[in-house]
Amino acid sequence: DSGVTQTPKHLITATGQRVTLRCSPRSGDLSVYWYQQSLDQGLQFLIQYYNGEERAKGNILERFSAQQFPDLHSELNLSSLELGDSALYFCASSSGGPFLGETQYFGPGTRLLVL
Amino acid sequence: GDSVTQMEGPVTLSEEAFLTINCTYTATGYPSLFWYVQYPGEGLQLLLKATKADDKGSNKGFEATYRKETTSFHLEKGSVQVSDSAVYFCAPVGGTSYGKLTFGQGTILTVHP
Repeated sequence: DSGVTQTPKHLITATGQRVTLRCSPRSGDLSVYWYQQSLDQGLQFLIQYYNGEERAKGNILERFSAQQFPDLHSELNLSSLELGDSALYFCASSSGGPFLGETQYFGPGTRLLVL
Repeated sequence: GDSVTQMEGPVTLSEEAFLTINCTYTATGYPSLFWYVQYPGEGLQLLLKATKADDKGSNKGFEATYRKETTSFHLEKGSVQVSDSAVYFCAPVGGTSYGKLTFGQGTILTVHP
């Protein structure tokens, strides 16, 4: 158990809908990262937050947004969903320090299926 | 930006065979290098890491050495077990990436008894 929790575990929805994925980082971690894993794109970085502020952005679509709350949990919002958004979405957390060698701890993921 | 090229899979081995999964990377500055493993139906776990040139990361019998001159971080294990069957990801964290991991495409390893 990494200490990172994600809810829900599974999500089935229809095209055009909007969903919210939730992540609680490990106790004490200030950084939260979101990654998307799909068969065609592999594992891609979406966005990072550090202590409530956006720190880095990756291949995140404009239909997607995220935020980190004062209690450090994070939510990833996916809107106007398309079939191609079906994927496994991982959240990871780290202490957030400047050291590049720090470990990211991954949650179990949310499997999204868009029908 | 950072990028990774991993050995094409899938890799299928018999138990107790020697394993090598090649990984080469491009990254800015002096990156840290990671191997993550994903067991079936689970999230990613850190397997090992190295933070500077010539460092050797090791865990659970797996090893990888940070080779700056060849920009490589190949994963090795002397004797694989069935329980090592998983997907292995190489990932550098470069100097301008604010800690975000750039993953390779992953190598699927299947070990047969």
